Amino acid sequence: DAGVTQSPTHLIKTRGQQVTLRCSPKSGHDTVSWYQQALGQGPQFIFQYYEEEERQRGNFPDRFSGHQFPNYSSELNVNALLLGDSALYLCASSVRTSAQQPQHFGDGTRLSIL
Amino acid sequence: GENVEQHPSTLSVQEGDSAVIKCTYSDSASNYFPWYKQELGKRPQLIIDIRSNVGEKKDQRIAVTLNKTAKHFSLHITETQPEDSAVYFCAARRGGYNFNKFYFGSGTKLNVKP
Repeated sequence: DAGVTQSPTHLIKTRGQQVTLRCSPKSGHDTVSWYQQALGQGPQFIFQYYEEEERQRGNFPDRFSGHQFPNYSSELNVNALLLGDSALYLCASSVRTSAQQPQHFGDGTRLSIL
Repeated sequence: GENVEQHPSTLSVQEGDSAVIKCTYSDSASNYFPWYKQELGKRPQLIIDIRSNVGEKKDQRIAVTLNKTAKHFSLHITETQPEDSAVYFCAARRGGYNFNKFYFGSGTKLNVKP
């Protein structure tokens, strides 16, 4: 039973570029949440997708957008990259209809902006 | 929205001693509280969780307590071992429509000295 998988593992971009990160949820999960984790900080909620729509959003600008596909996998897109976007981006999956259940995290994508 | 505060930010204990990490939350509608352990460069791993209808939960050397009235919950690790060294995050999630949105504390770096 595969857990949450993310790709790529590492990515280096320059300011102003655009990036797409990918996530496949744990088998049986239908909800995907994305988090940004800066060095030495806790994960910050970016947004959440289920039924192919953005359902919740944290305090992130519109440069951050996403998508969920019919197979529940998801993408996080970031446009006009800034130095401050350098962070570990974590994807977490869960089952929407199972309240009080944990999220399962992927290994993350380490994004570095030069 | 919810605000989760976590203390201390760093904790150093001698092997065999106990460690306690405390979190407070602001939203009385929060009803699920997981704890994650994150080793350097790895994904957050769920180590224990507690639901709002329970005051305490134990799993071997790890226990979590919840005080709904005071809106705080704590992680207790007994007989600490060097492999317990990591960053620990608490989180809170409210019930209802927003039930899949987690709010994380800022983390506690635990160092267990051999």
